[in-house]
Amino acid sequence: DARVTQTPRHKVTEMGQEVTMRCQPILGHNTVFWYRQTMMQGLELLAYFRNRAPLDDSGMPKDRFSAEMPDATLATLKIQPSEPRDSAVYFCASGGSTDTQYFGPGTRLTVL
Amino acid sequence: AQSVSQHNHHVILSEAASLELGCNYSYGGTVNLFWYVQYPGQHLQLLLKYFSGDPLVKGIKGFEAEFIKSKFSFNLRKPSVQWSDTAEYFCAVNDLRTGTASKLTFGTGTRLQVTL
Repeated sequence: DARVTQTPRHKVTEMGQEVTMRCQPILGHNTVFWYRQTMMQGLELLAYFRNRAPLDDSGMPKDRFSAEMPDATLATLKIQPSEPRDSAVYFCASGGSTDTQYFGPGTRLTVL
Repeated sequence: AQSVSQHNHHVILSEAASLELGCNYSYGGTVNLFWYVQYPGQHLQLLLKYFSGDPLVKGIKGFEAEFIKSKFSFNLRKPSVQWSDTAEYFCAVNDLRTGTASKLTFGTGTRLQVTL
């Protein structure tokens, strides 16, 4: 069945390094969301796109985070430079015409 | 801004006990409502959703939820929980007022632990 895929599933990096996370939405879905989940803050919406155009990135720290959707089958979230406080699980979700979001397996990021 | 409250942060039940998890939201206009479940180490999966019609919604795995507009509530229920229901449960609301229909606001989650 159709699923959202994310790579990598786990990433351990050192502070200051660039991190790139990738998401492949479900084929035909036109809306892609990036969330961050931590114990302290819970689920936070970082950014989302519709038809590849950014609609809202107000939840994203602008100085170090960037989100793009180079084509309909790929969304990326970059952190440069990474910091220990960025350690979290990053989820991508996609949605079509029904307002239901389908989540990917997440990328567990650890910044040392 | 829309907010979603889940008052039960951690619930411990014995197998076969009945479950009710509370969810309240702040906006009284037209909303879509969702419950998602996250099993340990896994991603969020949709349990059920309410868009319109019958306020009693049935989802997967025997879960149901009731939308009570006058109380701004969308409580999740299951008559008899199983050990495999141990997970974290998230309520989410789509605030159609924003004009961006897909943006969801999530509650902080309720951790359910079912003991044998």
